[in-house]
Amino acid sequence: QKEVEQDPGPLSVPEGAIVSLNCTYSNSAFQYFMWYRQYSRKGPELLMYTYSSGNKEDGRFTAQVDKSSKYISLFIRDSQPSDSATYLCAINDYKLSFGAGTTVTVRA
Amino acid sequence: KAGVTQTPRYLIKTRGQQVTLSCSPISGHRSVSWYQQTPGQGLQFLFEYFSETQRNKGNFPGRFSGRQFSNSRSEMNVSTLELGDSALYLCASSWRGQEADGYTFGSGTRLTVV
Repeated sequence: QKEVEQDPGPLSVPEGAIVSLNCTYSNSAFQYFMWYRQYSRKGPELLMYTYSSGNKEDGRFTAQVDKSSKYISLFIRDSQPSDSATYLCAINDYKLSFGAGTTVTVRA
Repeated sequence: KAGVTQTPRYLIKTRGQQVTLSCSPISGHRSVSWYQQTPGQGLQFLFEYFSETQRNKGNFPGRFSGRQFSNSRSEMNVSTLELGDSALYLCASSWRGQEADGYTFGSGTRLTVV
């Protein structure tokens, strides 16, 4: 079983919609959760970093961790065409274990 | 502040050859990790170096090796290349490589084995 599972999509939404991305993880001991964004031909870029359970908000982005269900989420409000990218969830356990990545397209 | 720099950006090699990739971390970062990204397997951890010592290793064959220099720059070597080694190789640096640290990635080296 992979440590982190993520639906690879793809996901296509109209501009202005809310994008909802989800991952599940296997080990309840994990404490540090990340979301990365990767544009084509670029390396992943750290978007959000959450410790333990709860919500974290940064502008249009909200990250949620539910440790009871081992579920992590990323929400993008008022999505823009520039948000079109692959979004990767990751667990930080002295190394990063990534989900498969979800490719998101925001249509103008 | 300069980001993580990886060279070269693109490489084409023949099966059986060996290759060396280079990574310069963000100034002050002492931990350097390497990842392989392929369409089939996604992003997979290769190894991590801290203060010139390999501290953590992923599940890759011994053909994949690395080292870190005293200035924290790191190199990764792949010997006896196979077609399946074609991938984007990414380097990430962090301050200490601890759980609480964020990792900054370079743009990667695209290796094609023919």
